[in-house]
Amino acid sequence: AQTVTQSQPEMSVQEAETVTLSCTYDTSESDYYLFWYKQPPSRQMILVIRQEAYKQQNATENRFSVNFQKAAKSFSLKISDSQLGDAAMYFCAYRTPRETSGSRLTFGEGTQLTVNP
Amino acid sequence: NAGVTQTPKFQVLKTGQSMTLQCAQDMNHEYMSWYRQDPGMGLRLIHYSVGAGITDQGEVPNGYNVSRSTTEDFPLRLLSAAPSQTSVYFCASSYLAGIAYEQYFGPGTRLTVT
Repeated sequence: AQTVTQSQPEMSVQEAETVTLSCTYDTSESDYYLFWYKQPPSRQMILVIRQEAYKQQNATENRFSVNFQKAAKSFSLKISDSQLGDAAMYFCAYRTPRETSGSRLTFGEGTQLTVNP
Repeated sequence: NAGVTQTPKFQVLKTGQSMTLQCAQDMNHEYMSWYRQDPGMGLRLIHYSVGAGITDQGEVPNGYNVSRSTTEDFPLRLLSAAPSQTSVYFCASSYLAGIAYEQYFGPGTRLTVT
């Protein structure tokens, strides 16, 4: 079974600075998908960024980018120019295309990000 | 599009009571699932469905029941509530084909069992 680990329960960053959230995973699959979700105090789960394992290029979405190291099974999220609205719980998630469930996600424990003004 | 809707938003139950959490989506998604979120544990899959009439267990299915009679609806039943089921529950849906397709989440239901 796949596992996802986020070793930083809490992180903080100053507004306008850059912060990196860590995620590692364990899998025997060669083809899979990785995601970062954001959960603000409203509880709504919001997809931030996705990465296909077969793509060597790291995904980027505006101020959000990932550092995907397939051999090391590492998938970190970098937030540049942090804004107050980035404060939230961030979850790393893994999905394999091989399961009959198709869309099943395995989540990490989450990292609570605080942005200080 | 309303997306994924869940009712109720909050619920308090006494131990032993039963109830149904409702989930509906209007995006014609084949896949629907229920997760529970507990502090320090992320989201864990309870049950899922890949289409009407097809359901299967996830990681933590005990104490919960599901059915899928239509594409749109996927209710979650608590058979006899226990304090260990105090949690936040999320319903999610997505297409099956196109495996990188995003899962859309409902707003969640906060359940307290006393």
